[in-house]
Amino acid sequence: EVVMTQSPTTVAVSPGEGATLSCRTSKSVDTNVAWYQQKPGQAPRLLIYHASTRATGIPARFTGSGSGTQFTLTISSLLSEDLALYYCQQYNNWPYTFGQGTKLQIK
Amino acid sequence: QVQLHESGPRLVKPSETLSLTCNVSGSSVSSYYWTWLRQPPGKGLEWIGYIYNSGVNDYNPSLKSRVTISVDTAKNHFSLNLRSVTAADTAVYYCARDRGNIVPTGYFDSWGHGTLVTVSS
Repeated sequence: EVVMTQSPTTVAVSPGEGATLSCRTSKSVDTNVAWYQQKPGQAPRLLIYHASTRATGIPARFTGSGSGTQFTLTISSLLSEDLALYYCQQYNNWPYTFGQGTKLQIK
Repeated sequence: QVQLHESGPRLVKPSETLSLTCNVSGSSVSSYYWTWLRQPPGKGLEWIGYIYNSGVNDYNPSLKSRVTISVDTAKNHFSLNLRSVTAADTAVYYCARDRGNIVPTGYFDSWGHGTLVTVSS
């Protein structure tokens, strides 16, 4: 199965600043990557699919990029409500797999 | 607005069967791919499997021998049965929707809130 490696494990950013989260896959998955946000005590929420397409209702502050084995989620102008775990997921190969997550903390 | 809600026992004994139901409102279980995922404490998400068109299934190979996902269109819900559970099956279990038609999209646009199931004697 495809192994998803996310980095960093934890990142702390001040409100108003930007954050860059990375996801690396063990083999090429084309652009078949999604990103999810999981706030404490809540279910995951789809942010990005096809590596760079924002899901319905997701603000433009969230930008996805990448292809092949390297993917990035960039969050600009951070708000305190962005405190969450962020997961990447590949759906190019069976079974679908997820990264271990990056915890975004607000300074 | 699509809403999903998991229900079922929160405590299951080792070697027994874990059974959960996902009640769906705002969308028909006759369409799309209805999916179960889980998240062991402190770990990442794991895709368990899906059901489509009231009878087409696929499962994670790591669980395939123990899993059955079924659907009840009259009640608009779908269910998970995981047999012969061990402590390693302790996790938050989520149901979710993949909006694929004919083929799955691969990603999940609606999720339930999740339910923690503990396997312990």
